[in-house]
Amino acid sequence: EAQVTQNPRYLITVTGKKLTVTCSQNMNHEYMSWYRQDPGLGLRQIYYSMNVEVTDKGDVPEGYKVSRKEKRNFPLILESPSPNQTSLYFCASSPGQVYGYTFGSGTRLTVV
Amino acid sequence: DQQVKQNSPSLSVQEGRISILNCDYTNSMFDYFLWYKKYPAEGPTFLISISSIKDKNEDGRFTVFLNKSAKHLSLHIVPSQPGDSAVYFCAAASAYSGGYQKVTFGTGTKLQVIP
Repeated sequence: EAQVTQNPRYLITVTGKKLTVTCSQNMNHEYMSWYRQDPGLGLRQIYYSMNVEVTDKGDVPEGYKVSRKEKRNFPLILESPSPNQTSLYFCASSPGQVYGYTFGSGTRLTVV
Repeated sequence: DQQVKQNSPSLSVQEGRISILNCDYTNSMFDYFLWYKKYPAEGPTFLISISSIKDKNEDGRFTVFLNKSAKHLSLHIVPSQPGDSAVYFCAAASAYSGGYQKVTFGTGTKLQVIP
């Protein structure tokens, strides 16, 4: 089944403890992206990647890192999480320029 | 600065009637627009898109209209079905910024279709 898989689905962590949310797609898509969803703010793009080793900032990149060492994987790294990064995170992938993204099921992150 | 705005947080429509979801944008560089549907506990699902060279795109019960001069687009669902009840996000992108991969979303409109 073609899909974007994120792990974990739920995560509670403490301020300052580094964490990684993994994302993998099995559709051989060139493009991948991370979003966060917050009440009243919709979906905001954190980072996106056009290909292996090619990434760029979205609208809210502060406090996040990404890497794209393999085409299928695009992990989101929070080096020092803070409570304002408590959010619902979505990873997504797309085959090309004018195609919509396929989203994962989301990761609910709580930073206390 | 919200570049893509969905001013109606919610909308209720009777089954069988037309649902019209609206979206306004402020960035004149946007030239590609998309609609996504999102059910609770799931990721958004791509629904339909339109390029700025068109003013209408149709896919089954879903039609998107684009009015570039007004910087406004709308999604029409006809006829509306209870399974259409979801949050709908409008999104926009620009070939000049991120090559359509830098996508800006609106805040969403929750549609409820009443049987």
